[in-house]
Amino acid sequence: LAKTTQPISMDSYEGQEVNITCSHNNIATNDYITWYQQFPSQGPRFIIQGYKTKVTNEVASLFIPADRKSSTLSLPRVSLSDTAVYYCLVAGGYQKVTFGTGTKLQVIP
Amino acid sequence: ETGVTQSPTHLIKTRGQQVTLRCSSQSGHNTVSWYQQALGQGPQFIFQYYREEENGRGNFPPRFSGLQFPNYSSELNVNALELDDSALYLCASSPPGGGSPLHFGNGTRLTVT
Repeated sequence: LAKTTQPISMDSYEGQEVNITCSHNNIATNDYITWYQQFPSQGPRFIIQGYKTKVTNEVASLFIPADRKSSTLSLPRVSLSDTAVYYCLVAGGYQKVTFGTGTKLQVIP
Repeated sequence: ETGVTQSPTHLIKTRGQQVTLRCSSQSGHNTVSWYQQALGQGPQFIFQYYREEENGRGNFPPRFSGLQFPNYSSELNVNALELDDSALYLCASSPPGGGSPLHFGNGTRLTVT
């Protein structure tokens, strides 16, 4: 299993772009990179998934360099409702998925 | 499309008792996994079920067991409850195909006194 490392916490002002980087040095060839958002007392919610280069959806972008040893989740123009814990996961196939401690994002008015 | 639903939402048990938690997977999802999340921690993988068979297990003792039914719904059973079992228990389902994102329910909050 690829181990991931993320910052424990981040603060950002409303309206700013937030970039959260995750390191996964021993990612395997068949591993995907997936980001989840979790609010207190709720289950994690899927944000975005990618394998390489750049992926964008309606809520976020995911940047993955060629060596795939890291990835960056980009949240454009955050609002107070984006205050949550963000998890980076690396896994592929039917293998157990292990969450790290995540990054607690606090958006400040 | 119905998402992942879990029941009950909250539960209080006494140390030594047994508990059963239930999960209905999202339509079309044939894989179910269970996670334990202690306060302030990330979810910890308990086990995964695929086609009614356990096909992966985390570092949890045998008193944590599960079932998956033909309709892909699942149960998590915990025997001989301990105080440290107090946590949010999350169920996640995923569609066929490796690497598919997990879809989580909102969990069952278990308190052991």
